Parts: sequence; C-alpha cells; structure tokens
Amino acid sequence: QVQLVQSGAAVKKPGASVKVSCKASGYTFTSYYMHWVRQAPGQGLEWMGIINPSDGSTSYPQKFQGRVTMTRDTSTSTGYMELSSLRSEDTAVYYCARETIPGLGMDVWGQGTTVTVSS
Amino acid sequence: EVVLTQSPGTLSLSPGERATLSCRASQSVRSSYLAWYQQKPGQAPRLLIYGASSRATGIPDRFSGSGSGTDFTLSISRLEPEDFAVYYCQQYGSSTWTFGQGTKVEIK
Repeated sequence: QVQLVQSGAAVKKPGASVKVSCKASGYTFTSYYMHWVRQAPGQGLEWMGIINPSDGSTSYPQKFQGRVTMTRDTSTSTGYMELSSLRSEDTAVYYCARETIPGLGMDVWGQGTTVTVSS
Repeated sequence: EVVLTQSPGTLSLSPGERATLSCRASQSVRSSYLAWYQQKPGQAPRLLIYGASSRATGIPDRFSGSGSGTDFTLSISRLEPEDFAVYYCQQYGSSTWTFGQGTKVEIK
C-alpha cells in the first residue's frame, strides 16, 4: 500500500543539525512532490518547504531559507529534510507528505518524527 | 504571504449536530488551491477536502466544503463520535503553502 515511513525520534543540542528521512513505497516516487510540515507541541501545522523528487528542485518559505535543506535519493525513493542551527523552538513533530499537483492537497502523510532540541 | 484565519477556535457540539467551520484568507485564494485536513491526537493530518469542495478518497459525504475568494467553509452534516478532532484549512499560492491555526471540534 501507499505509505511514507519516517526515521525515528531524535534528540539534539542547540546549534546542532538534524536530518530526517522519509521513505516512500507503493507509488512512483518521482511522480509526486514531497512536502515537509512541522508541528510544535500543542501548536498548529507549519509548512517548511517542498521538493520535486523528479528533478530535485526545492522551494522554502522565507522563514526557513538558509537553515533547511531538502534532498532526495531516487534510487531508494527516500526524501530527506535537514535543519541546521537548531534552537529550542525547533522542538516539534516533523512530517513528510506527498502531493500530486501543487495545490491539490497532501493526500498521504508520514507518521511523524519527533525532534527534541535540548541542552 | 496569504494568512488564513479560522473560526471559531473551539466548537463545542453534541454527536448528531451540524458543524460549520470558517476559514478566511487575507487575500483571494484560487478555489482549486484550498484544502481541509482533520487531525486527531497523536496522528498525522488527514486530507478531507481539496479544491475547496472535492472530497478526498474515502471521505464520508457528511463532510462538505464550499466557498470562494477569501471565505471558505467546512461543514459536517451530522457529527459522528470519530469526527471530534482539530481541523485545518490550507492554501497554495505563489509557490507557498500556508495553514490556518486550526479549529477544535469538541464534545459538548
């Protein structure tokens, strides 16, 4: 079945980086965009950016530009999100999600990866 | 950047009642690019509605979406126990996706 399986929880110190993976299965990886969305404890959803697995092109909101990098490995159908210069406010659950055409909705989501930033 | 404002913040209703959730945009949104999601505690969001009014695969017909321009609505005709959750609207425009802050539908 179609699914996105994310890497496990991570605990990082302030200033460090974290890289979360999202492995796709059950569909053609390069036919769907991949988003990253995060959710701080008790808060709403925040969009972090998008990657086109077909050509690797990315788009990030201004808030995360310079601090987030999204990549993909088409040989393993896996997307990656790396966030650098971590601070306590980055403590959140990070989700990957796919979208077939920009604007038509994120129809499949990963299970989420908890990232805790603490000294 | 388009800001989405959802109201009310919390909706207290009983099973069987109708729920009406609002999502207002700071500037006009193409209807094709407005979606609604449901999220239950400890779970990932689930796509309910895309294109403002089209139900996603497997979504019951008690869920419906409407609206255009800057005002959009998600309606749940008769609340089932499993519908008590947080609902988010989301829009796409100018290569940017944004979410509303969410509306919690709780049992009265």
